[in-house]
Amino acid sequence: EPEVTQTPSHQVTQMGQEVILRCVPISNHLYFYWYRQILGQKVEFLVSFYNNEISEKSEIFDDQFSVERPDGSNFTLKIRSTKLEDSAMYFCASLAAMANEQFFGPGTRLTVL
Amino acid sequence: ELKVEQNPLFLSMQEGKNYTIYCNYSTTSDRLYWYRQDPGKSLESLFVLLSNGAVKQEGRLMASLDTKARLSTLHITAAVHDLSATYFCAATYGGATNKLIFGTGTLLAVQP
Repeated sequence: EPEVTQTPSHQVTQMGQEVILRCVPISNHLYFYWYRQILGQKVEFLVSFYNNEISEKSEIFDDQFSVERPDGSNFTLKIRSTKLEDSAMYFCASLAAMANEQFFGPGTRLTVL
Repeated sequence: ELKVEQNPLFLSMQEGKNYTIYCNYSTTSDRLYWYRQDPGKSLESLFVLLSNGAVKQEGRLMASLDTKARLSTLHITAAVHDLSATYFCAATYGGATNKLIFGTGTLLAVQP
């Protein structure tokens, strides 16, 4: 069964460093998402991506964040200069055209020290 | 702006008992979702509810949707320890992005 994959599963970084979180969505899906979950809190929408551009972003998704689909399979989230408050679980999701259900990846736990 | 609220936030129940988790949303939504999350894990899709009056059941869990009341419920029948997890509802109002707005989650602890 097709699934969304994410790497790495856990990333530890120093404050101020750049990180790139990687996702491989399900191959025939057209809509891609990043969500964030701070430990013990609810899941929050960060950004949606369609047709090679951002279709919507939340207030959390400031200038430090960017997304890219560099090669038609990977979907990346970059944080340019990490802050302590960026520590969270980051989930990638994808959605097929005309479908109702987003499929979530296993998540990347980002720890900023 | 769509907001989603769940209650209770924490639910401790004994095995064999029944209980309901409530999910209210603030504006019109065309889809309502329920997810289960185990500690440190991803989101497992439980139910997708697409229309008013929709009811879906899987094992000891049953979800329903009342779009007029902007309310969805997740009913647990004869709880077992394996159901212990955090349960999230999420809503979307479609549009161009179909972004999900999540509730605060309900941490369910089923005691033997």
